[in-house]
Amino acid sequence: GAVVSQHPSWVICKSGTSVKIECRSLDFQATTMFWYRQFPKQSLMLMATSNEGSKATYEQGVEKDKFLINHASLTLSTLTVTSAHPEDSSFYICSARATRQNSPLHFGNGTRLTVT
Amino acid sequence: AQSVTQPDIHITVSEGASLELRCNYSYGATPYLFWYVQSPGQGLQLLLKYFSGDTLVQGIKGFEAEFKRSQSSFNLRKPSVHWSDAAEYFCAVAGGENKLTFGTGTQLKVEL
Repeated sequence: GAVVSQHPSWVICKSGTSVKIECRSLDFQATTMFWYRQFPKQSLMLMATSNEGSKATYEQGVEKDKFLINHASLTLSTLTVTSAHPEDSSFYICSARATRQNSPLHFGNGTRLTVT
Repeated sequence: AQSVTQPDIHITVSEGASLELRCNYSYGATPYLFWYVQSPGQGLQLLLKYFSGDTLVQGIKGFEAEFKRSQSSFNLRKPSVHWSDAAEYFCAVAGGENKLTFGTGTQLKVEL
């Protein structure tokens, strides 16, 4: 079945540095990918919609300059957390859908980011 | 705006017992409804979804859910729970298949 791969699965970085998270659709092409953030014991919150070849659409309250999203190809979207701070520590999950109609949404396994 | 309420934060059931996880939604039109399961530290796996048609939806791993428009509910059920079903379960609603709004999740614990 369709697989979405996220890398890395966990990362620890120092405050002030930037971290890039990759989301790849392994066996299908995805025009649209979604980035979610999950705080401990809470639900997933949609951060942004990533569209191949165009700018991402950010949800209200999400800083686009802090969470840079690039969707350069039909199989890869990246989320870069710039100048990370401890409050950015969270679980980030991407999802992707194949371009054909009525295809389901597939989720990656998530990335645990810890900023020290 | 669409929203989802999962009133039960934690549920504990004995292995072999039946299970029902509650989900209520708010949406102005006919919703697309989903149930996902998340194991610790992992992504989400789709259990089932409802778009239209038969209001009783069958999913993977023996799960089913029933869409009740009059109650704005989409409760998840399983006749006999297995220890491997212990996980967190999320109900979600979408106006289309794209932007999902998730509930806060229900943590299921299975006692052996």
